[in-house]
Amino acid sequence: QKEVEQNSGPLSVPEGAIASLNCTYSDRVSQSFFWYRQYSGKSPELIMSIYSNGDKEDGRFTAQLNKASQYVSLLIRDSQPSDSATYLCAVHNAGNMLTFGGGTRLMVKP
Amino acid sequence: EAGVAQSPRYKIIEKRQSVAFWCNPISGHATLYWYQQILGQGPKLLIQFQNNGVVDDSQLPKDRFSAERLKGVDSTLKIQPAKLEDSAVYLCASSPTSGVDTQYFGPGTRLTVL
Repeated sequence: QKEVEQNSGPLSVPEGAIASLNCTYSDRVSQSFFWYRQYSGKSPELIMSIYSNGDKEDGRFTAQLNKASQYVSLLIRDSQPSDSATYLCAVHNAGNMLTFGGGTRLMVKP
Repeated sequence: EAGVAQSPRYKIIEKRQSVAFWCNPISGHATLYWYQQILGQGPKLLIQFQNNGVVDDSQLPKDRFSAERLKGVDSTLKIQPAKLEDSAVYLCASSPTSGVDTQYFGPGTRLTVL
C-alpha cells in the first residue's frame, strides 16, 4: 500500500504569519505531487502542483519538493482567516493512481 | 464551463438497503473517478474509468460496490447491501486524460447508513 502521511493538526497560526504544511510519501517512483484545499463540507480544490525538486511559487503559496527525502511541503505566506481549511497532499504514482494523505487542518486566527 | 455534477447531495438509508449515486463529468473529460471520503480522512480512490473502460478498481469492495460508465459519459456507483461503515462522502472527479491532469471534483454525496 503506497502511503501519504500528513500531520492531522490542527495547525494554528496567527493572521499574517507563515503556515507550513508537510507531507511525506512512501512510493519512490512517484512523479507528481499536488496540494488540495478542502473547506468544511466542500469538495477538494487544487491549489498547487509540483513535479520537480525545488520550490514552486504561486502568489502566497509555495510548494517545495525533495524527492530524495520523499518530502513535500506547502508554505502559505501572510496567512488569512479565509485560508482556514484542511489541506490535502496527493501523490500521483507510476500506477496512475492519485493517493491522498489524511489532510492537515489549518486554523488562522485573526 | 459546467463543473462535475453529482446527485443526490444527501442520502440516509438503513443498513442492508441499496443506494445509487450519479455523476456527470465535465464535458469532454475522458477520465472519471469515484472516491470515498470518510470523516476526518483523505479521499480514497474506489474506481477509475477511462472513457467507458475500467483503469483501476483495486480498492473497490466488489462484494457490495459496483460502478459503471455506459457510453463513456455519466457514471453510477451502487452499494448493495450497505453497511454502517459505508457512511462517508462519495466524491466524483473528472480529468481530460488519465495522466497527471488536474482532477476536478464534484460537490459529493453525503451518505449516512443507520
